[in-house]
Order: sequence, then structure tokens, then C-alpha cells
Amino acid sequence: ELKVEQNPLFLSMQEGKNYTIYCNYSTTSDRLYWYRQDPGKSLESLFVLLSNGAVKQEGRLMASLDTKARLSTLHITAAVHDLSATYFCAGGGANSKLTFGKGITLSVRP
Amino acid sequence: SQTIHQWPATLVQPVGSPLSLECTVEGTSNPNLYWYRQAAGRGLQLLFYSVGIGQISSEVPQNLSASRPQDRQFILSSKKLLLSDSGFYLCAWSPLGTFNQPQHFGDGTRLSIL
Repeated sequence: ELKVEQNPLFLSMQEGKNYTIYCNYSTTSDRLYWYRQDPGKSLESLFVLLSNGAVKQEGRLMASLDTKARLSTLHITAAVHDLSATYFCAGGGANSKLTFGKGITLSVRP
Repeated sequence: SQTIHQWPATLVQPVGSPLSLECTVEGTSNPNLYWYRQAAGRGLQLLFYSVGIGQISSEVPQNLSASRPQDRQFILSSKKLLLSDSGFYLCAWSPLGTFNQPQHFGDGTRLSIL
């Protein structure tokens, strides 16, 4: 059974600084997804990572996947207030089922 | 383009009452469909998924049920709600047979049980 872990559950970031958050998973998963959730809202897809060494970038966010280490990272460059949200990673299984981590809530302060 | 609709957006129900939440997808055929629940401040728990009409798989034992009467319609039901059924219910879809695309989520239904 796939298990996905995200730590910490909450991270306070200073505007303008760089940060990296991590997603570990327990068994082989050939794809990894990142989602964003704003308070009270639904989930928005950010990245789909399909192979070892995959790297995707969108604006100030860059995600990567290391299947050997069973680790995905989400790097934030020069944090801005608009990035404040909860970020979920999810590992893929059969029938496109996803197993989600508990999410990391990011708060960007001036 | 594909869209997913969920309703109602919010719902307040007494304990023991029935429930019916509906989800429809437009602009695609034969989608995989999913129901998730998110408890306050927590991650998503997969409740049901469906790969076709009448095909429902349950992920966790509970007093909820799901049905797929039409290709692009997914319904979550309960005969008698419990306090523990409170939460944010999200419907999602993904293209059948493809694994390189994410699941796409509806706007969700916030359910409060009194």
C-alpha cells in the first residue's frame, strides 16, 4: 500500500527567500502529482512528474522527482504572498487512483 | 474543454437524514470518476472510484454509497448521516486509461452535520 508523507505540516516563509518542501512515498510509484489548495477552495493541479529525474517549472515553483530515493521536492524561488496555500503531493496507483499526503500549509510573511 | 460540476456547494443536514451529492463531467467520455472527503485541516481520503457505468469500487467501509447511473454522472449517497460524515466532499475525474494527466477536481460540497 502506497503511503505519502509530507513534512512539516506548516511552514512560515519570508517574502523573497527560497524554500524547498519535500514529499516522501513508501513504495514504487511511477508518477507523482503536486496540487495547490487555497483556503475553502478545491484542488488545482500544479505538476505531473512521470519519470525519474523529471523536472517541471511554473513561475516561482519547480518540482522534481527522484524515484530511487522515493522523493519529490517542490522548490520555491523568492517567495511571494500569492504562494500562500496548502500544497499536496500524491502518488499514483492502479486505475489512476491517487494517494495524497496530508499537505503542507505555506504562509508567506513580509 | 472539459468541466466538472458539483452541487450543492454547501449543505447542512441533521444527523440521521439522507444525503445525495451529485457530480457531472462535460466534454469527455468514459472518464474515471472519484469521490474524496477532506476533514477539516486534513488530507484527502479516497472514498469511491468508478471506471465505468455501474462499476463502483469502495475504498473505505462507511455508511456512504456511490452510484454511476450515466457515463458522466457520479452520485454520493447516504441513507442516514452520522456526525462523522461532516467534511468537504470533492468529486474528481481523469481520462480513462491515461496516467500522464492529473485528476481534475470539482469545486466541492461543504457538508455540515448537526
